[in-house]
Amino acid sequence: DAGVIQSPRHEVTEMGQEVTLRCKPISGHNSLFWYRQTMMRGLELLIYFNNNVPIDDSGMPEDRFSAKMPNASFSTLKIQPSEPRDSAVYFCASTAGTGDEQFFGPGTRLTVL
Amino acid sequence: GQSLEQPSEVTAVEGAIVQINCTYQTSGFYGLSWYQQHDGGAPTFLSYNALDGLEETGRFSSFLSRSDSYGYLLLQELQMKDSASYFCAAIYGQNFVFGPGTRLSVLP
Repeated sequence: DAGVIQSPRHEVTEMGQEVTLRCKPISGHNSLFWYRQTMMRGLELLIYFNNNVPIDDSGMPEDRFSAKMPNASFSTLKIQPSEPRDSAVYFCASTAGTGDEQFFGPGTRLTVL
Repeated sequence: GQSLEQPSEVTAVEGAIVQINCTYQTSGFYGLSWYQQHDGGAPTFLSYNALDGLEETGRFSSFLSRSDSYGYLLLQELQMKDSASYFCAAIYGQNFVFGPGTRLSVLP
């Protein structure tokens, strides 16, 4: 298995632009998580899906952030419009069950200028 | 809110034993996991405790005491490659909260 796949690995954009991050979870996993990591705030859970349904999006910072999971093998995290303070590493993780080991993707390093 | 506490940094020498503590809030607590993250890498799972006691996996062990709202990760026979950040992560119902992380530096 290829593990959790994220794209792009690096993204540099200008303030105000739309950014879309993509994630393919491990086949057979039914829970998917989006995290953001910065030096100041550490690792924060943004949103998580169970069987493609958003369960908890209380970590989504504001309306500029949205996430979708149209099917079991694909999820997107969109930021529109982006701001410099959104610069961070965004991780996607998947797991077979709620309390199980989370498998993290390699992350997307986002820089908003 | 639900927050976890860990020491920010720990330093030890090769071959030594290190214990990284984690305290959490009790309300709704389900279990405690530990993750390792090397610089520039992604977190990787080390262990999970849902019940009180010690779980051993090779050189790494994890302990949980629900009555004390406390857990720890024990790393034995430290190696240079163990230099990384270590995160405890608590499961509260269907919510996951990561601690701020402990940066471990292993010296020769």
